Amino acid sequence: DAGVIQSPRHEVTEMGQEVTLRCKPISGHDYLFWYRQTMMRGLELLIYFNNNVPIDDSGMPEDRFSAKMPNASFSTLKIQPSEPRDSAVYFCASSPDSPGTDTQYFGPGTRLTVL
Amino acid sequence: GEDVEQSLFLSVREGDSSVINCTYTDSSSTYLYWYKQEPGAGLQLLTYIFSNMDMKQDQRLTVLLNKKDKHLSLRIADTQTGDSAIYFCAETFKLVFGTGTRLLVSP
Repeated sequence: DAGVIQSPRHEVTEMGQEVTLRCKPISGHDYLFWYRQTMMRGLELLIYFNNNVPIDDSGMPEDRFSAKMPNASFSTLKIQPSEPRDSAVYFCASSPDSPGTDTQYFGPGTRLTVL
Repeated sequence: GEDVEQSLFLSVREGDSSVINCTYTDSSSTYLYWYKQEPGAGLQLLTYIFSNMDMKQDQRLTVLLNKKDKHLSLRIADTQTGDSAIYFCAETFKLVFGTGTRLLVSP
């Protein structure tokens, strides 16, 4: 299995631009998670999906952030407009079972830099 | 809210044992996990322990769980330079990860 695939691996953009991060979960996994990692705040859950349906988006920082999962093999995290404080590493993870009962498999992350 | 705390840094010499500690506040998870993150990479599952166990051994890794004190530890025997990384404990029912402990192994 190829594991969780994320693209791009690195993204540099200017403040105010739209940024779209992409994720392909492991086939057969029903749960998909988006995390953000910064030095100041560590690893934070942004949102997670079950069977393509958003279950908990309480970690999404503000309306500039949106996430979609149009099908079982693809998800996007969009930031519009982007700001310098959004600079972080964004991880996607997938899991075959519900939180607390099975592990999550992480992608390599997308390092976002907003100038 | 739920919280998972770890010490930030640990430095050991190659061949020594390393012990990374973690405390947590919520005990709803069926499992508690240890993840390893190498530079520029995502988190990789290292090991886990079922919540009704006290100890689990997996080759060089030993996980101890004290449910009463809500304390989890990871012991790495015969630590190697390749073990240098950031280690996260995680309580995944509420999807909370610790702050991470940076382990530095010197030759």
